[in-house]
Amino acid sequence: AQSVTQLGSHVSVSEGALVLLRCNYSSSVPPYLFWYVQYPNQGLQLLLKYTSAATLVKGINGFEAEFKKSETSFHLTKPSAHMRDAAEYFCAVSFGSGNTGKLIFGQGTTLQVKP
Amino acid sequence: NAGVTQTPKFQVLKTGQSMTLQCAQDMNHEYMSWYRQDPGMGLRLIHYSVGAGITDQGEVPNGYNVSRSTTEDFPLRLLSAAPSQTSVYFCASSFGTGAYNEQFFGPGTRLTVL
Repeated sequence: AQSVTQLGSHVSVSEGALVLLRCNYSSSVPPYLFWYVQYPNQGLQLLLKYTSAATLVKGINGFEAEFKKSETSFHLTKPSAHMRDAAEYFCAVSFGSGNTGKLIFGQGTTLQVKP
Repeated sequence: NAGVTQTPKFQVLKTGQSMTLQCAQDMNHEYMSWYRQDPGMGLRLIHYSVGAGITDQGEVPNGYNVSRSTTEDFPLRLLSAAPSQTSVYFCASSFGTGAYNEQFFGPGTRLTVL
């Protein structure tokens, strides 16, 4: 069965420090991978997605993620955290061509940014 | 362009009551879906629709009904609310039904069942 695991439910970094949010997936077919962000009391917003083109994907707000097939990982990074990056981040995976767009979400990681 | 809208924002129900959560999108998207969000569990798919008149079950469909009479609207019905249905509900839509499509999310409905 396909699944997504986000390592660490809470991550705390200082402003200006590197952000690293981890995501691993399990799949028997090539996946499409997504990172979504949820700011307090809002819906989810797409940060970036991997659709089998470049393995290094750049998203909004300075975030990027690298697809590593050998490690079944899609970790999210940002070189320098800002206070406005404090939010909950979700990794999600969708499988197969012709799939009806069903997303499987990880448990979420809350990012805290300290001044 | 309002995107995906949901009403109400908040709702409190008593066990056994019924209600309908409304979802609408003005982007002419084919695909619409409902998720529930619970702490530590991410989002789980309840029901989805690939077009008007077509719906199917997701991961956690029990206790919920949906219909899709128009492209724009996708209401979620709770027939007899239970405390286990206390959650935040999100509606989402995407232009196509392919697995690579970005989904656009509404602001959510926070439901409490007493």
